[in-house]
Amino acid sequence: DAKTTQPNSMESNEEEPVHLPCNHSTISGTDYIHWYRQLPSQGPEYVIHGLTSNVNNRMASLAIAEDRKSSTLILHRATLRDAAVYYCTPGNSGNTPLVFGKGTRLSVIA
Amino acid sequence: DGGITQSPKYLFRKEGQNVTLSCEQNLNHDAMYWYRQDPGQGLRLIYYSQIVNDFQKGDIAEGYSVSREKKESFPLTVTSAQKNPTAFYLCASSPWTDYGYTFGSGTRLTVV
Repeated sequence: DAKTTQPNSMESNEEEPVHLPCNHSTISGTDYIHWYRQLPSQGPEYVIHGLTSNVNNRMASLAIAEDRKSSTLILHRATLRDAAVYYCTPGNSGNTPLVFGKGTRLSVIA
Repeated sequence: DGGITQSPKYLFRKEGQNVTLSCEQNLNHDAMYWYRQDPGQGLRLIYYSQIVNDFQKGDIAEGYSVSREKKESFPLTVTSAQKNPTAFYLCASSPWTDYGYTFGSGTRLTVV
């Protein structure tokens, strides 16, 4: 399994952009990079995923380094509802379930 | 609406008793998973199943058992052999080759 490194915690002011980094230096060539987030006392929810190109959806953007050893989840304007634990997890289509580390706890200040 | 349902939300049991956690999905997903989460920790995989009547152990399967008799259902039994069963248990499902996991809202088990 590809190992990931994320900061334990980050803080942002409301309405400002947030860049959440993830290092996955042992990622394999076929692994997608997935991001999930978990609100307090809830199950994680899917945020975004990508392979090589940067990706955008209504929730966030995903910037993937050219060597694919790191990625950054971008929340363009943080809101109080974005306060959660964010997990980065590499994985591919196949037989291996996703591995979720401790993630990054994002706090948003009003 | 399609989704994944875990019940109950909170569960209390006495030490030494087996307890079964329910997980049902109506998303027509092939694969289902059970994870355990302890305070301040990530998710650890207990069991997963990619097809009916088949399942595989995850990283921490000892003291747990599962069954997959129907595509929609993947119950988890926490047995008395599990030494530290108090935790937050999460069930998830996904299509066969797509990693868009859908998680349930979890069951918080407390053993006293």
